[in-house]
Amino acid sequence: DQQVKQNSPSLSVQEGRISILNCDYTNSMFDYFLWYKKYPAEGPTFLISISSIKDKNEDGRFTVFLNKSAKHLSLHIVPSQPGDSAVYFCAASRTRSGGGADGLTFGKGTHLIIQP
Amino acid sequence: DAGITQSPRHKVTETGTPVTLRCHQTENHRYMYWYRQDPGHGLRLIHYSYGVKDTDKGEVSDGYSVSRSKTEDFLLTLESATSSQTSVYFCAISGGQTVLTFGAGSRLTVL
Repeated sequence: DQQVKQNSPSLSVQEGRISILNCDYTNSMFDYFLWYKKYPAEGPTFLISISSIKDKNEDGRFTVFLNKSAKHLSLHIVPSQPGDSAVYFCAASRTRSGGGADGLTFGKGTHLIIQP
Repeated sequence: DAGITQSPRHKVTETGTPVTLRCHQTENHRYMYWYRQDPGHGLRLIHYSYGVKDTDKGEVSDGYSVSRSKTEDFLLTLESATSSQTSVYFCAISGGQTVLTFGAGSRLTVL
C-alpha cells in the first residue's frame, strides 16, 4: 500500500507562472516531509522540508504547505523558471522513539515541465 | 557534491551472475542507505545501515544483501542477478538528521 502518493505523473507550466505540485500521505505517524528535485542521470537533491508542527515553510521561490487534517502537502514554485524542469519527489519520515534514521518513504514523482 | 561516490556508475551483466555495488562516503556519517528507482515506483528503500556492521531491511530487500565493515563503505550485493533487478540504484547518507544526501546513481542492466 502506497503511503506517499503523487497522483500527477507530469505537469506542464508556462515560464513565469506558478507551479503547484501535490502530495498526499496515509500514514499519520509521519511527522516530517521533504521535497527532492531530480535531473536526468543525477541523484535526487534536497529542496525544502517541513515539520508537522508547521503549516508553511518558505525558501526563496519555493514554499511548502502542509495540511495535516487532510494529510496533504503541496510545493509552490513562483515564478517558474526553465531550470525548474525536473522530476520532483515528495518524501516523508517518522521520528523513531529511540532516535535514528530509518530512511524516507517516497512518492512516485511528478515530472515538471516549464514551457518558455 | 557531498562526499558520496558510487561505483560502478554503469554495469551490464547477465542473469545469474553476482553483482556488487559500492558506496563510499567521506562525510563520516553514521547512516547509509540503498534505494532503487524504477519507472512508476519512485524511490524504494532496499537496505540501510545505522553503523558499522549494523544493517536492516527496507521495503524491497528480497534478493539483496548489504555489508558495512567500515564507516565509509556500504556495499550492496545481488547474489544472483535477475532481470527484475535492472534499475538505477542510489546510495544516500545522513548524519542523523532527516535530510538524506544522495549519490549520482549506478545504472544496472541485467540481461
